[in-house]
Amino acid sequence: DAKTTQPPSMDCAEGRAANLPCNHSTISGNEYVYWYRQIHSQGPQYIIHGLKNNETNEMASLIITEDRKSSTLILPHATLRDTAVYYCIVHKIQGAQKLVFGQGTRLTINP
Amino acid sequence: GAVVSQHPSWVICKSGTSVKIECRSLDFQATTMFWYRQFPKQSLMLMATSNEGSKATYEQGVEKDKFLINHASLTLSTLTVTSAHPEDSSFYICSARDQGRREGGEQFFGPGTRLTVL
Repeated sequence: DAKTTQPPSMDCAEGRAANLPCNHSTISGNEYVYWYRQIHSQGPQYIIHGLKNNETNEMASLIITEDRKSSTLILPHATLRDTAVYYCIVHKIQGAQKLVFGQGTRLTINP
Repeated sequence: GAVVSQHPSWVICKSGTSVKIECRSLDFQATTMFWYRQFPKQSLMLMATSNEGSKATYEQGVEKDKFLINHASLTLSTLTVTSAHPEDSSFYICSARDQGRREGGEQFFGPGTRLTVL
């Protein structure tokens, strides 16, 4: 699976949109972009995933660039409960299906 | 989303004893489950892939005789830490993929089990 690069930490004000970037310049055509987050001392929580089209669900939006070499996770109205480590993972859906976690971005939402 | 449970949520044991951790998919079937370990302030490290009805596949550097995995049904996988030592103290997390969902699928994670070996 392709490697991803994320900033180690970010801050965002409560109520504002949080935009978390991820670079995956070596992504291949059959790899999806997945986002998970982990709140302290809990298991990771699935947020969203996509292949090439932008995606939106009740939690977030995922914007993937046309060349698919980078993406942005958008939390439209961040709350204090969104404080967590956010992981961007590039992953093939065929084969071993295992997810390999990088270091992620520690997002802190400030009141 | 789908629910994955783990039991126990935390356990304290003496050095040299064995500890079993259960991972269950509550509302879906999973032919494959995954076991991760997480040390403080570090990311999740994949330990092994648990396959229903067959042997687990271990990641490089993970001792298969120390971390016994059994996936006896489509909703249950167990991880047994044998002869646990203080260095095995960690946060153990399982996940399962709901293969009935949309293409690409999501993996759902359990809440984790915190193991402390004295």
